Amino acid sequence: GDSVTQMEGPVTLSEEAFLTINCTYTATGYPSLFWYVQYPGEGLQLLLKATKADDKGSNKGFEATYRKETTSFHLEKGSVQVSDSAVYFCALSGDAGNMLTFGGGTRLMVKP
Amino acid sequence: DAGVIQSPRHEVTEMGQEVTLRCKPISGHNSLFWYRQTMMRGLELLIYFNNNVPIDDSGMPEDRFSAKMPNASFSTLKIQPSEPRDSAVYFCASSLGGYGEKLFFGSGTQLSVL
Repeated sequence: GDSVTQMEGPVTLSEEAFLTINCTYTATGYPSLFWYVQYPGEGLQLLLKATKADDKGSNKGFEATYRKETTSFHLEKGSVQVSDSAVYFCALSGDAGNMLTFGGGTRLMVKP
Repeated sequence: DAGVIQSPRHEVTEMGQEVTLRCKPISGHNSLFWYRQTMMRGLELLIYFNNNVPIDDSGMPEDRFSAKMPNASFSTLKIQPSEPRDSAVYFCASSLGGYGEKLFFGSGTQLSVL
């Protein structure tokens, strides 16, 4: 079945550092890929998505490119802020429809 | 748009008691999902409704768990009897349905079973 693997956290960075959170997936067909973010005490919210190979999703300075050849969807940001501290989830929506399969989540801590 | 509304926000109960979690999806959304989040197991899909009909309940842990969606604007997740290992954050999410549609999550219910 479908699965998503993320790098384990926590990831601790200083403000203005470059961020990469790795995500790889296993799925049949052509899934849509997502990054969701969960701030403390809140539910998940969509950060960005890509629906086909080579698409780049972007939002709030974050980017991720759908790489079918490496089955990856790594999240990047050029300069993180303290306010980016949260848990980030990679997810996919496969041929079964809009059910999402989530990765285990990666906690990001940004220090001033 | 009020978003997905869950209640209660926090629930503390004793082992053996019945627990009912409630969810009001976003108006117009036709898909509803119940997730459970724990440190050990991460985010798990428990059950998925489409147009009020349960489509996939393979994630429901055992018979102590049940979920209903009597109409398009309300769903419940019930645990009877509750056990300490049920302690987790339970999220409800809704979407417009269809391939690749994004999910809108509620703020969750923090359940503690003592």
